[in-house]
This record gives sequence, structure tokens and C-alpha cells, in this order.
Amino acid sequence: QVQLKESGPGLVQPSQTLSLTCTVSGLSLTSNSVSWIRQPPGKGLEWMGVIWSNGGTDYNSAIKSRLSISRDTSKSQVFLKMNSLQTEDTAMYFCARNGDTKGIWFAYWGQGTLVTVSS
Amino acid sequence: DIQMTQSPASLSASLGETVTIECRASEDIYNGLAWYQQKPGKSPQLLIYNANSLHTGVPSRFSGSGSGTQYSLKINSLQSEDVASYFCQQYYNYPTFGGGTKLELK
Repeated sequence: QVQLKESGPGLVQPSQTLSLTCTVSGLSLTSNSVSWIRQPPGKGLEWMGVIWSNGGTDYNSAIKSRLSISRDTSKSQVFLKMNSLQTEDTAMYFCARNGDTKGIWFAYWGQGTLVTVSS
Repeated sequence: DIQMTQSPASLSASLGETVTIECRASEDIYNGLAWYQQKPGKSPQLLIYNANSLHTGVPSRFSGSGSGTQYSLKINSLQSEDVASYFCQQYYNYPTFGGGTKLELK
């Protein structure tokens, strides 16, 4: 059974760096790709970036300069780091396993972790 | 970026009714389209991929269709558990989502 679970600090101060972890089970990161997606309260969804099964990454151009995605395959974990946080980065952050056919779509999602940016 | 315009933004329907949600892409996305259902306080769940392929375990009353820049999600015989928000997402290029449709019971 595929499962993903996000974890993180909950509250981050403006201008600081956000670090999130996605722990997966029931799948191997060396044969599956994982994306991060976020959703501000009451708003729509924004894809942030992906780490491919080969370890390569792609990012949303709107936040590329602030974002880094990495992984530890031995621990089945994917990491997100985003710097220079502002209040508009307040959102629910999800990790999701990509689908099996071409393109970046999301077959399985974690429950999400809420990040609030506030002093 | 490919822009996705979803309509309507909100929808009220009766149990047993057939509901259709539309999504228009700013350019041809060659059936690279998925639909998701999101219930309050929950993560989105995949319904449809490749514009018309039903994801494992999704009830057959959900169906997707379309081509080019125009796509739709149809829910036949609306059930109470279908009350949710629905999002389309294109993946012909880097992913972008529609603004969502909030479906309520009349």
C-alpha cells in the first residue's frame, strides 16, 4: 500500500527557510517520482517541483530561485527546502507520487502539512 | 505556462442529477489532463487521468472526456459523498491546475 506523509515545523518566521520531509512507504524512490504541491487556505493548487526516479529535479519557474528538492533513498524520504519565506507562502504543503504514464500528474497524495508564515 | 480555466466556480445540484464540469486550456494539451476530488480538510484524490481513464477504485459514475483545449468531467447520478471541490490539472507541460469547482447539494 502506497503511503506518503509530510512533516514539518508548522510555523516559520518571515524571511526564514522552510524545511519539509515526505516519508514514503510501499514504493521505492529509485523507481518512482515525487512532487510537492501547495494550497493556500481556501485557494487553489500550485505545483512546486518534482524529484524524478533518477534523482533529477524540475521546479516551477515562479519559485525556482527559492526552492530545492532532494531525497535520501535509504530512508525513503524526500525533502523540500524553500528560503526567503513570506506570508503568502502560508499554505498546506502536500507531497504526491507521480502517475505511471508520461507527464507529471499525481496518483497518490499525502495528508498534507500546514505551514504558517508569521512573526 | 499553460493556463487552465475551469467552470463553473460553484455548482449546486440534486441527488441523482448529472453534473458536468468544464476545463479549458490556453493551448492544446493533447489529452494530458487529470481530474481530482478534494473533500474539506483532506488531500486531493485522483479521479481521471489521460483525460478519460478512470483511476483504480473510482466509481464508474465519474467519467472524463474532451480533446485539444476543451475537457469535461461528468458525474452521473450524483451521490451525497460527491459533495467536494473538483480540480482539473494539465500535464502536457509543467503542471498547472484549474481554479476549482465547489459542488454542493441543492
